[in-house]
Amino acid sequence: EAQVTQNPRYLITVTGKKLTVTCSQNMNHEYMSWYRQDPGLGLRQIYYSMNVEVTDKGDVPEGYKVSRKEKRNFPLILESPSPNQTSLYFCASSVRTSGSAKNIQYFGAGTRLSVL
Amino acid sequence: AQSVSQHNHHVILSEAASLELGCNYSYGGTVNLFWYVQYPGQHLQLLLKYFSGDPLVKGIKGFEAEFIKSKFSFNLRKPSVQWSDTAEYFCVPKDKIIFGKGTRLHILP
Repeated sequence: EAQVTQNPRYLITVTGKKLTVTCSQNMNHEYMSWYRQDPGLGLRQIYYSMNVEVTDKGDVPEGYKVSRKEKRNFPLILESPSPNQTSLYFCASSVRTSGSAKNIQYFGAGTRLSVL
Repeated sequence: AQSVSQHNHHVILSEAASLELGCNYSYGGTVNLFWYVQYPGQHLQLLLKYFSGDPLVKGIKGFEAEFIKSKFSFNLRKPSVQWSDTAEYFCVPKDKIIFGKGTRLHILP
């Protein structure tokens, strides 16, 4: 079954304690992306990756890191979380990001993070 | 720069009312447009998409959208909404996967 898997689904942590949210897709997709969703602000892109070892900043990258060592995995790292990073996070993947009519994104189920 | 704008950020309707959510885009070249839906507590799902050809696109759950090039619009429609259509709806262009702020739809039973 084609899917994007995020872990954990829920996380409560304290300020400054490093954490990683994992994302894995089994569709051999090139493009992966992280978003955060906040009330009234919709979805905002944090980082994206167009392929292995190719990552770039989205609209709100501050306070986050990512890595893409393998095609299937795209973890989101918060080195020193702060309360303003309390949010709902979504990982997504698609075949490619541009030049294709089949640019449909598949989303994970979301990770709800609370930073105290 | 590519962008989309959704006119209504919060819409409240009664069951059986007709729905139209506005979406305007502002880029040229090849136009690919999508509508995604996010039901409460769930992740985003593709509702329908437009690549080329027939400008009237039919999606899942009775939704449709019409691509009108002269108006730069891709409005989402449903003739008769149900309570289960309560969700947030996002109009999205291709490429950089830019999301608008979405439209939160509430259906009153």
